[in-house]
Amino acid sequence: AQKVTQAQTEISVVEKEDVTLDCVYETRDTTYYLFWYKQPPSGELVFLIRRNSFDEQNEISGRYSWNFQKSTSSFNFTITASQVVDSAVYFCALSGGNQGGKLIFGQGTELSVKP
Amino acid sequence: DSGVTQTPKHLITATGQRVTLRCSPRSGDLSVYWYQQSLDQGLQFLIQYYNGEERAKGNILERFSAQQFPDLHSELNLSSLELGDSALYFCASSARGGGLAGDTQYFGPGTRLTVL
Repeated sequence: AQKVTQAQTEISVVEKEDVTLDCVYETRDTTYYLFWYKQPPSGELVFLIRRNSFDEQNEISGRYSWNFQKSTSSFNFTITASQVVDSAVYFCALSGGNQGGKLIFGQGTELSVKP
Repeated sequence: DSGVTQTPKHLITATGQRVTLRCSPRSGDLSVYWYQQSLDQGLQFLIQYYNGEERAKGNILERFSAQQFPDLHSELNLSSLELGDSALYFCASSARGGGLAGDTQYFGPGTRLTVL
């Protein structure tokens, strides 16, 4: 069975601090895809990144970076120099196998960045 | 703005009633997905349609049904509503998704359903 675990329910930081959101996944598929989505207080789900299981290169996009490690089944997300606008719930998700395109979501991590 | 539209934004109804949620995918996207977000269950996949045909089914109750029309918009029908059906219902779309995992899904703003 596929499963995504985000053990951190809530994280609170002060602006300009770096913060890492953890994501651990379980799957028996050899080909799978991992995603991060952001849900700001307004409620919509915003796509951040997609990574396939064959690409373990870390990715950086501005203040955001992602560390994918198959050996530990983790896909962690780091925000550098956090800002108040980063306050949101962040979801990690998994898609794989022959189950169509459905996403299996973690429970989410609520990030609060205080000024 | 993801390009996915959902109507209505808010819906308040009573137990036992039936409602229809509507979703228009991004231009050119063939797949539509429905998800339910509730406090106790989190974000749960309900059902996927690809080019008018049901492609995958998740934790969707028998009281719920969906369809995708020839113009690719989709509707989610919820009947015999119960208090526990109160949730945020998201529609997402992707370019392909015809049985292929990994397509990026773009989400609409959601419909917040409140059952009183």
